[in-house]
Amino acid sequence: NAGVTQTPKFQVLKTGQSMTLQCAQDMNHNSMYWYRQDPGMGLRLIYYSASEGTTDKGEVPNGYNVSRLNKREFSLRLESAAPSQTSVYFCASRSADTQYFGPGTRLTVL
Amino acid sequence: SQQGEEDPQALSIQEGENATMNCSYKTSINNLQWYRQNSGRGLVHLILIRSNEREKHSGRLRVTLDTSKKSSSLLITASRAADTASYFCATKGSNDYKLSFGAGTTVTVRA
Repeated sequence: NAGVTQTPKFQVLKTGQSMTLQCAQDMNHNSMYWYRQDPGMGLRLIYYSASEGTTDKGEVPNGYNVSRLNKREFSLRLESAAPSQTSVYFCASRSADTQYFGPGTRLTVL
Repeated sequence: SQQGEEDPQALSIQEGENATMNCSYKTSINNLQWYRQNSGRGLVHLILIRSNEREKHSGRLRVTLDTSKKSSSLLITASRAADTASYFCATKGSNDYKLSFGAGTTVTVRA
């Protein structure tokens, strides 16, 4: 099992560009999450999907959209990237109370 | 806003020593979890303690929970170089799908 996979690993964008971060899990989990991690701030929840077909805002949803494409895949879209969105983005899925994290996408917005 | 806060922010110890870090939180919880993050990697779940438990062990890890003080501690005994990582506490409320993470404690184990 690959667990949780994320693509791309690294990305550099210019202000105003758009992109989609991809996440997939092969553990048949219902719930999936998107976080951002900034220095000294731990992880902050952007959006989550409790089950296929549902999505909900987390702590810092502004500037992002998500799509729960199917049970396996949960994508995060930046429509118009801003320098404040420079961060490391993690996707996770959940089984019972434990979350399983992907390796992250390091995004820089110039 | 973050629910948990870890203390200290950073810790440097000699191999073989014990490492202790603390987590304080603000609101009532269903459980508290600890995760480890190696540099450049995703988080890995270490241990979960429920609100009705006071202490839990897993290998060289010992976690305590004091709900009256809204605090938890993680003890790593006989540390190894491979324990060098950041450690995060995360809290889960009742009827909640979400975890709230603290800012983490960075542990460096010197050979």
